Amino acid sequence: QVQLVQSGAEVKKPGSSVKVSCRASGGTFSNFVISWVRQAPGQGLEWVGGIIPIFETANYAQKFQGRITFTADASTGTAYMELSSLRLEDTAVYYCARPAQHCTGGSCSSAWFDPWGQGTLVTVSS
Amino acid sequence: EIVMTQTPATLSVSPGERATLSCRASQSISTNLVWYQQKPGQAPRLLIYGASTRATGIPARFSGSGSGTEFTLTISSLQSEDFAVYYCQQYKNWPRTFGQGTKVEIK
Repeated sequence: QVQLVQSGAEVKKPGSSVKVSCRASGGTFSNFVISWVRQAPGQGLEWVGGIIPIFETANYAQKFQGRITFTADASTGTAYMELSSLRLEDTAVYYCARPAQHCTGGSCSSAWFDPWGQGTLVTVSS
Repeated sequence: EIVMTQTPATLSVSPGERATLSCRASQSISTNLVWYQQKPGQAPRLLIYGASTRATGIPARFSGSGSGTEFTLTISSLQSEDFAVYYCQQYKNWPRTFGQGTKVEIK
């Protein structure tokens, strides 16, 4: 049973950066894909992006281009999301999640998210 | 980007009654749809994938249906623990997108 444990809450100033960690246990980390989803206060869910540690490849939502970096440390089974040039509207709970792989026509891609980490609240405030 | 629209925004239901939640995709997504349940202060929980397959451990009172652009989540007899927010999500195209949620509250 894969479990994801995230780092604690952060308070940041506008323009600064934040790095959130997600430690996985109960599986072979190098085979994982780790995705990130955020939820602004009282709002819905928004896919941020994800990383395939074994290939060191990542994809992300276009709106975060240039501001988001995903990394992973296989030795500790930990994935990281770093968001820079923080804005007030980046205030949200950031979740990591393991996406299920959905395969059709011989190719597979990340589909739905299960399990999820407990979430990390990032507050951007001046 | 595929836009997912959920209706209604809020559904007031009495315990024991049936709840029917809708999710519409802005273009056909076949059956590439999941439903999540989220309670306050908790991460979302997977309920249904492939539009109609219950995830492991999900009670039979939860059922999903639909294909193409119209989908439904039905809770046959609401229990106290079912009052929560429900989200749909498509995995047909990138970026993966979610509906804005339906809150099921006690009537």
